[in-house]
Amino acid sequence: ELKVEQNPLFLSMQEGKNYTIYCNYSTTSDRLYWYRQDPGKSLESLFVLLSNGAVKQEGRLMASLDTKARLSTLHITAAVHDLSATYFCAELSSTSGTYKYIFGTGTRLKVLA
Amino acid sequence: DGGITQSPKYLFRKEGQNVTLSCEQNLNHDAMYWYRQDPGQGLRLIYYSQIVNDFQKGDIAEGYSVSREKKESFPLTVTSAQKNPTAFYLCASSIDRSTIYGYTFGSGTRLTVV
Repeated sequence: ELKVEQNPLFLSMQEGKNYTIYCNYSTTSDRLYWYRQDPGKSLESLFVLLSNGAVKQEGRLMASLDTKARLSTLHITAAVHDLSATYFCAELSSTSGTYKYIFGTGTRLKVLA
Repeated sequence: DGGITQSPKYLFRKEGQNVTLSCEQNLNHDAMYWYRQDPGQGLRLIYYSQIVNDFQKGDIAEGYSVSREKKESFPLTVTSAQKNPTAFYLCASSIDRSTIYGYTFGSGTRLTVV
């Protein structure tokens, strides 16, 4: 069964602290995506990782991909309250020419002032 | 501005009623998708269409139907056969079937059974 596991599922952290969210996936895909969702809102694309060793940074967030370990990480540096949201990773699965995303269950991040 | 428009934002359904959720995009994307999100859960794929006049079932298609008569439109009908339809529904599109560059999501429709 294709599965994407994120941990932790819930994360409460103090402003200014660093933390990492982990995303383990099950296929040999070399495509991994991170999205952000604010409460009651849609999903916003954060990072598109398209090869082994890819690293992308935007502000206080940095995402990386290790396809050999089937692991992607989302690192938060010096967290601020505005980063409070739910973060989803998704792997791209391809079967017989059909492509679709498999989403993780999400990590709900709460940054405390 | 290009984007995906979902309507309505909120929808209430009575028992035994069919309802249709609208999804329109002006991005000229070939592929479109419908996902369901339950509280505290990830996204589950209902149906997807990679080209006009063609669509495939996703992981939880039972009780739902779709059509793709135009490139820009991919409406989802929640039928009375869907016994637990209360959820947040998200429509997405991608430039082509490979989805390599990721999805663009609509703003969602929150469906509640009353």
